[in-house]
Amino acid sequence: GQQVKQSSPSLTVQEGGILILNCDYENDMFDYFAWYKKYPDNSPTLLISVRSNVDKREDGRFTVFLNKSGKHFSLHITASQPEDTAVYLCAAGENQGGSAKLIFGEGTKLTVSS
Amino acid sequence: DMKVTQMPRYLIKRMGENVLLECGQDMSHETMYWYRQDPGLGLQLIYISYDVDSNSEGDIPKGYRVSRKKREHFSLILDSAKTNQTSVYFCASSPSTGHSAETLYFGSGTRLTVL
Repeated sequence: GQQVKQSSPSLTVQEGGILILNCDYENDMFDYFAWYKKYPDNSPTLLISVRSNVDKREDGRFTVFLNKSGKHFSLHITASQPEDTAVYLCAAGENQGGSAKLIFGEGTKLTVSS
Repeated sequence: DMKVTQMPRYLIKRMGENVLLECGQDMSHETMYWYRQDPGLGLQLIYISYDVDSNSEGDIPKGYRVSRKKREHFSLILDSAKTNQTSVYFCASSPSTGHSAETLYFGSGTRLTVL
């Protein structure tokens, strides 16, 4: 079964709006959580990540919230802009001596309309 | 300039042919990965390599094998390609040390079509 699941295959928001992308995971051992952004025909790039010892991390307009008891993490984007239009992939994994075997969700295609 | 390079960018093969996908990185990263991306399935991990000749199966290794003889190179091999291996293949590497140990740096992908 899918170890990391994104509930929404697609989402549309007006420019300037706030949006939340959700991700659920199954493995209790996961201790690293990340969101990657992917433009069409481009490679995924890391947007923001958090380790399990914190429940929130903010970087500009992007904030990741971690709910370990609920095995859930989310990405909040404020003041959305047309250039935020992309596919967002959540990922989770267990840090094993430095590297993490990251498992990705199916992706959420976000469209920000102007 | 930190880079993960994949060759080729596009590839068309016939069913039963052998396929070699190459990946290189210039960051001396220990860990390298091969993923495939299919619509509705996100990125699926095929193999992970922790260093030279230290490879481990991912979630979907069947039909694939890998080779890592130098730290900077990681190859994905399809012996006798099948049509269901048509996909976009991404290579990635990660530092494994430091505060961004788990960050994956991806190549630009190889779009493989098996006819």
